[in-house]
Amino acid sequence: AQSVSQHNHHVILSEAASLELGCNYSYGGTVNLFWYVQYPGQHLQLLLKYFSGDPLVKGIKGFEAEFIKSKFSFNLRKPSVQWSDTAEYFCAVKTGANNLFFGTGTRLTVIP
Amino acid sequence: NAGVTQTPKFQVLKTGQSMTLQCAQDMNHEYMSWYRQDPGMGLRLIHYSVGAGITDQGEVPNGYNVSRSTTEDFPLRLLSAAPSQTSVYFCASSYSTSLLTEQYFGPGTRLTVT
Repeated sequence: AQSVSQHNHHVILSEAASLELGCNYSYGGTVNLFWYVQYPGQHLQLLLKYFSGDPLVKGIKGFEAEFIKSKFSFNLRKPSVQWSDTAEYFCAVKTGANNLFFGTGTRLTVIP
Repeated sequence: NAGVTQTPKFQVLKTGQSMTLQCAQDMNHEYMSWYRQDPGMGLRLIHYSVGAGITDQGEVPNGYNVSRSTTEDFPLRLLSAAPSQTSVYFCASSYSTSLLTEQYFGPGTRLTVT
């Protein structure tokens, strides 16, 4: 069965530190990849997505992610985090028209 | 556009009670779905619909019913609530069922079953 793994459950960083959140998936076919963010008390919002082409995709708020097909990975990065980035981050993989699988989420706490 | 709206925001039920969680979208999206979010488990798909009159089961459908009589609305029914259904429920929609479309999420309904 398809699965999405986010190995970091809770990450704590100081402001201006660099961020990398891991995401690995298990599916051998064509995939589309997403990162969603959920700020405290809010609904999920799309940060960025990969469909095809350049494996380095840029999203909103300075986030980017790199798709490495050989490693089945889609890690999220940001060079310098801010306190306002405190949120929960979900990686999601779409393997078919009706199948969107989410990881368990990574909680990011940024300390001012 | 209001996007995806959900009501109520919060609900407390006793075991055995039934209720309907409402979801509506005003973007003329074909595809709508319901997820539940539980700590440490991410989001899991309950039911989905690819158009009016068409629904199907997701990963965790037991204890829930859905219907899609209009394009706009996709209510989720709990027939006999159980404490295991305590969760946050998100409705989502997307323009089509194509692999290339992203989903838009509603604000969620926090349900507690005692």
